[in-house]
Amino acid sequence: NAGVTQTPKFQVLKTGQSMTLQCAQDMNHEYMSWYRQDPGMGLRLIHYSVGAGITDQGEVPNGYNVSRSTTEDFPLRLLSAAPSQTSVYFCASRKRGDRDSPLHFGNGTRLTVT
Amino acid sequence: SQKIEQNSEALNIQEGKTATLTCNYTNYSPAYLQWYRQDPGRGPVFLLLIRENEKEKRKERLKVTFDTTLKQSLFHITASQPADSATYLCALEGSNTGKLIFGQGTTLQVKP
Repeated sequence: NAGVTQTPKFQVLKTGQSMTLQCAQDMNHEYMSWYRQDPGMGLRLIHYSVGAGITDQGEVPNGYNVSRSTTEDFPLRLLSAAPSQTSVYFCASRKRGDRDSPLHFGNGTRLTVT
Repeated sequence: SQKIEQNSEALNIQEGKTATLTCNYTNYSPAYLQWYRQDPGRGPVFLLLIRENEKEKRKERLKVTFDTTLKQSLFHITASQPADSATYLCALEGSNTGKLIFGQGTTLQVKP
């Protein structure tokens, strides 16, 4: 019963460094998405994917890249980290067929950029 | 502009009372609205969904209402318990895209 798994749980980066946040789900969900959560701002959608090979931008995509080569995995890449990207990042997935089906979230990656 | 607003102030209530949380939205016409619970250090967990043609939905001690005229959803927890203390988030679909947009959440504290 793994659900949505995010790694790492915590990460500290220096400005300008790059890294990849990993997300994997074992529920065969077509739809996957990345959110960031900041105090007072709620969850904001970064990128999402409706299936392997298809990605699209959310509300705050700048500074982040994604790809979806398999149904299970949806990594989020920071090419050149900035202090403004300090946040908690959540990956979520759901069945694509039902538009109102609920999102299943991972437990987040807490990222600090110094 | 499009907005989803939840009361950013924490809600403090006594155990056994009913907690009522509010979600207001503007410039959306959502087909449905969802409520999630989030505990510290964890990801949100889905609680309830209500569709635009439903006025009320219940699940155990939880009740959600949806007024598309007022553009508001109310989330009620009856007979609240300290274990209900958490942050509650509402979410709706933005612009018929299938993308879920979240409010900023309201923190509920239930005191014994």
